[in-house]
Amino acid sequence: AQSVTQPDIHITVSEGASLELRCNYSYGATPYLFWYVQSPGQGLQLLLKYFSGDTLVQGIKGFEAEFKRSQSSFNLRKPSVHWSDAAEYFCAVGGAGGSYIPTFGRGTSLIVHP
Amino acid sequence: GAGVSQSPSNKVTEKGKDVELRCDPISGHTALYWYRQSLGQGLEFLIYFQGNSAPDKSGLPSDRFSAERTGGSVSTLTIQRTQQEDSAVYLCASSPDSNEQFFGPGTRLTVL
Repeated sequence: AQSVTQPDIHITVSEGASLELRCNYSYGATPYLFWYVQSPGQGLQLLLKYFSGDTLVQGIKGFEAEFKRSQSSFNLRKPSVHWSDAAEYFCAVGGAGGSYIPTFGRGTSLIVHP
Repeated sequence: GAGVSQSPSNKVTEKGKDVELRCDPISGHTALYWYRQSLGQGLEFLIYFQGNSAPDKSGLPSDRFSAERTGGSVSTLTIQRTQQEDSAVYLCASSPDSNEQFFGPGTRLTVL
């Protein structure tokens, strides 16, 4: 069975500081990996995705994530956080196309101090 | 273009009443998902539609929950005899290929 663990429920950073949100997954084959962001009162928006190829993927809003198969991780990073990045971040894992139901982590709430 | 829309945005109902939540996916997207998000929780998968295939209902928590998708487009999630524990945000997502998902803004359901 596939699963996703986001070990940090809350993370607090100062504006301008770097950010890393952790995600560990369990999946029996090559995973498809996603990071979504949810602002208050909004639906989820895709930040980036990994299907294959280069293990360092670039996303929107200056985010990037690195797939590390040996560590079963797909951590999200940003070099300099902006106050508008305060939101809930969800990591998700799934499989190939066809019958596909991704599994989401419980989310990490990012708090940004001025 | 237009994204995924959901209606109503908020719904307050009394325990025991039935509710219907609507999702309009992005035109042309063959896959449609319903999720439930309780306060401070992640996303709980409810049901998945893909084209004309039989839906995957494995996430529906009880037989009070049902969903249909008409004409491969609009979907309605119905909750019968609502209970207070059904209070949550119900999210709909569509996808062109069952990979990347596009989410609607959700319907916040409150059962009094």
